[in-house]
Amino acid sequence: QVQLQESGPGLVKPSQTLSLTCTVSGASISSGGYYWTWIRQHPGKGLEYIGYIYYSGATFYNPSLKSRVFISVDTSKNQFSLNLSSVTAADTAVYFCARAKDQVFFYFDSWGQGTLVTVSS
Amino acid sequence: DIQMTQSPSSLSASVGDRVTITCRASQNIGKYLNWYQQKPGKAPKLLIYTTSSLQSGVPSRFSGGGSGTDFTLTVSTLQPEDFATYYCQQSYSTRPVTFGQGTRLEIE
Repeated sequence: QVQLQESGPGLVKPSQTLSLTCTVSGASISSGGYYWTWIRQHPGKGLEYIGYIYYSGATFYNPSLKSRVFISVDTSKNQFSLNLSSVTAADTAVYFCARAKDQVFFYFDSWGQGTLVTVSS
Repeated sequence: DIQMTQSPSSLSASVGDRVTITCRASQNIGKYLNWYQQKPGKAPKLLIYTTSSLQSGVPSRFSGGGSGTDFTLTVSTLQPEDFATYYCQQSYSTRPVTFGQGTRLEIE
């Protein structure tokens, strides 16, 4: 059974870079067939898709965040990471990593528990 | 981006009731519609994918239907553990995928 776990600082200062890592167990990122994604949820709000990375390194970023987002993968550690630059209070949210089933169906069948990141000085 | 609109935004019901939540897409998305359940402080959980396929381990009281622009999630007989927030998500266009705003299902 695949498990995902987010890790990283829970507090980031404005204008700095938010960095999170998702560690995957029970499945190999290198196997292909799945897209490794980041999704966030502002307090009390709905779900916002950030983007994905494939094991090959191919990425897609939501245009709403594209200029500030970078997602990378480390297949040797079975991890993928999110960097979000120039953060403001509006980036305060729970950040989830999730696995998306292939490019055709693209539903999120496994999720991390989520990690709250607060942007504040 | 494809806009997804859920109705109602909130719903009160009782254990044993049958409830239906609707999701409307701003354009034709075929069958590429997925449903999630989220409880407070937890990650969303996949319930149904591609309109009507039940994810493994999800009770059969959950069902999905529709096509094109209009979709439904039905819970045939509400159980206490079903009170949660439900989200639809389109995967017709993955650049980007988009979610509905959520429907909060509360105990009446």
